[in-house]
Amino acid sequence: SQTIHQWPATLVQPVGSPLSLECTVEGTSNPNLYWYRQAAGRGLQLLFYSVGIGQISSEVPQNLSASRPQDRQFILSSKKLLLSDSGFYLCAWRKGIGQGFSGANVLTFGAGSRLTVL
Amino acid sequence: DQQVKQNSPSLSVQEGRISILNCDYTNSMFDYFLWYKKYPAEGPTFLISISSIKDKNEDGRFTVFLNKSAKHLSLHIVPSQPGDSAVYFCAATERVGGYQKVTFGIGTKLQVIP
Repeated sequence: SQTIHQWPATLVQPVGSPLSLECTVEGTSNPNLYWYRQAAGRGLQLLFYSVGIGQISSEVPQNLSASRPQDRQFILSSKKLLLSDSGFYLCAWRKGIGQGFSGANVLTFGAGSRLTVL
Repeated sequence: DQQVKQNSPSLSVQEGRISILNCDYTNSMFDYFLWYKKYPAEGPTFLISISSIKDKNEDGRFTVFLNKSAKHLSLHIVPSQPGDSAVYFCAATERVGGYQKVTFGIGTKLQVIP
């Protein structure tokens, strides 16, 4: 069975400090990977998605970046955090091409990482 | 431009009654619609989905209805239980090249009162 791991679960960082959130998926290959953010009182905003190693697409311009160094590893980073980066960050995966790719495939989320920037 | 809209930020329902959560969309290219349930400090979990070629899908207490002409879908929970209290997100998918783009609404917070 497939599992998704996301860490750290909570993080308190000062403004201007760097950020690294990591996500790994087990039990599948070539997944589509996603980073979402849920800010206070708002819905789920798609930040980045990836269809393969080194292939990253950004949905919104921001202070963050993403990388996919391995097939099942997705990293969210920032060089200098802003107050507005605070939120609940969610990694997610779903089956990609060659794995029963379908619009019906469920997007499975990790447990989330709560980031507070002070 | 919000392509998936949940216009009710919150809903309160008595235990045992029906909960109806609504969602509207604007993109005709969406091919699947999904509902997710989210508890505080947890990731969303999948609840139920419907293909754009269907008008109803049922799974136990949960039924999703799709009205393509009105670009509207709804989630019915019957009977509602206190454990159903959570934020419900409507989502829609469209294929963009080799990628399935998933767009979420802002969510509706459901409170089921015992």
